[in-house]
Amino acid sequence: DAKTTQPNSMESNEEEPVHLPCNHSTISGTDYIHWYRQLPSQGPEYVIHGLTSNVNNRMASLAIAEDRKSSTLILHRATLRDAAVYYCILRDTNFGNEKLTFGTGTRLTIIP
Amino acid sequence: EPEVTQTPSHQVTQMGQEVILRCVPISNHLYFYWYRQILGQKVEFLVSFYNNEISEKSEIFDDQFSVERPDGSNFTLKIRSTKLEDSAMYFCASSDQLAGVNEQFFGPGTRLTVL
Repeated sequence: DAKTTQPNSMESNEEEPVHLPCNHSTISGTDYIHWYRQLPSQGPEYVIHGLTSNVNNRMASLAIAEDRKSSTLILHRATLRDAAVYYCILRDTNFGNEKLTFGTGTRLTIIP
Repeated sequence: EPEVTQTPSHQVTQMGQEVILRCVPISNHLYFYWYRQILGQKVEFLVSFYNNEISEKSEIFDDQFSVERPDGSNFTLKIRSTKLEDSAMYFCASSDQLAGVNEQFFGPGTRLTVL
């Protein structure tokens, strides 16, 4: 799996938007960009994924750079429940590579 | 909403004992996984399982580990002779597609403590 780089930690105020960056300069053409998060004392949870175009779902938005070497997970209005470790993960579809390779992620703290 | 369940939530065992961690994946899913997370460390892949056989395993998944789908609903991880370093959270996950597009659904985990 290609490597991703994320800041170790970020803080945001409650009810403010949060932009979580991820660099993946060695991404290949078949890599999907996935985001998972892990709330305290819970298992990881899928957030969103994309290939080239920006994506929106009920949890978040994913903005993908035109060259695909970076992406940003956007939480539009952070709540205390969004405090978690957020992981940016690349998954190659060509080889049926099923596993998720987690890095250290970004620990997001929400300030009330 | 369907979810992955795991039992027990916490297992305490003596070094050298066998443990079996149990998971019930989401019912229509076909692909199953075990991951572990040692306290304060990354989530690490152990093994993936499809069509009643292991499809991929990591270096961690040595001869002391085995997986089984004994019936249509359960997916188990067995550690034959536990070591102190096996103490970790063990997460089961399932998904319904092979390619790297569909999400994996994770259970709440089993905390294994080896004394």
